[in-house]
Amino acid sequence: NAGVTQTPKFQVLKTGQSMTLQCAQDMNHEYMSWYRQDPGMGLRLIHYSVGAGITDQGEVPNGYNVSRSTTEDFPLRLLSAAPSQTSVYFCASSSSGNTQYFGPGTRLTVL
Amino acid sequence: GESVGLHLPTLSVQEGDNSIINCAYSNSASDYFIWYKQESGKGPQFIIDIRSNMDKRQGQRVTVLLNKTVKHLSLQIAATQPGDSAVYFCAEHAGNNRKLIWGLGTSLAVNP
Repeated sequence: NAGVTQTPKFQVLKTGQSMTLQCAQDMNHEYMSWYRQDPGMGLRLIHYSVGAGITDQGEVPNGYNVSRSTTEDFPLRLLSAAPSQTSVYFCASSSSGNTQYFGPGTRLTVL
Repeated sequence: GESVGLHLPTLSVQEGDNSIINCAYSNSASDYFIWYKQESGKGPQFIIDIRSNMDKRQGQRVTVLLNKTVKHLSLQIAATQPGDSAVYFCAEHAGNNRKLIWGLGTSLAVNP
C-alpha cells in the first residue's frame, strides 16, 4: 500500500491564482481530512469527509473547497489564493477508528 | 513588518535518558487520545493511543499515562535516542464525528 499520497510536494502561487491540492489513499478509509500547519502552531482542520459524497467544514474552511466523489480521492481547491494561505497542507485518512494516517504534506507559498 | 509566532515548548534530554512529554486536554468528555510524532519536513506519524477507560498503555519504548481527574496526558519515552528528536503532538477525540482536537506540540531535542 502507498498509504496517503499528496501532490504536489511544493507549489508557489501568485495572489489570486487558483489550484487544487491532490490527496489519495489506497486503504479504503472512509474518513479523510485536510489540515494546515503554520509555524509554531498545531494542526488546524480545514475540511473533512466521512465518506464519498459527504463533506463538512472544519475549523478554518474559508477560501477552500473540497469534494469527495470517490472513496480514494479528496482534493482541496484554493479558489483565489491569498498570502494568508501560505502554509503546509496535510491530508489524512482513517477507517472507522480514530487513528489518522497522514500524507507527506504540500508546502504552498502564495506571493 | 516583523512577524510574531508562537514558540513551541522544548524539552532537551541526553541520549539514553528517559523523556516525559506532557499534555493537558480540554474536554472531560474526550474518550480517546493519541500521540503523534512529527519529524522535520514530514507528516505526523502515529505513536500510541489510549482510550478513556484505561490509565496506562505501553508500546515499544513508549508509555502513555492518562489522568482523567486532572485532564492530563503524558508520553514517556525510554532510553531516548537521537532519532526521537521531533515535535510531539497529543490529540483528543470527543463525540462521534471523528474530529480530533490537537495540542500545539512539544519539541524534543536529544543531545548526543
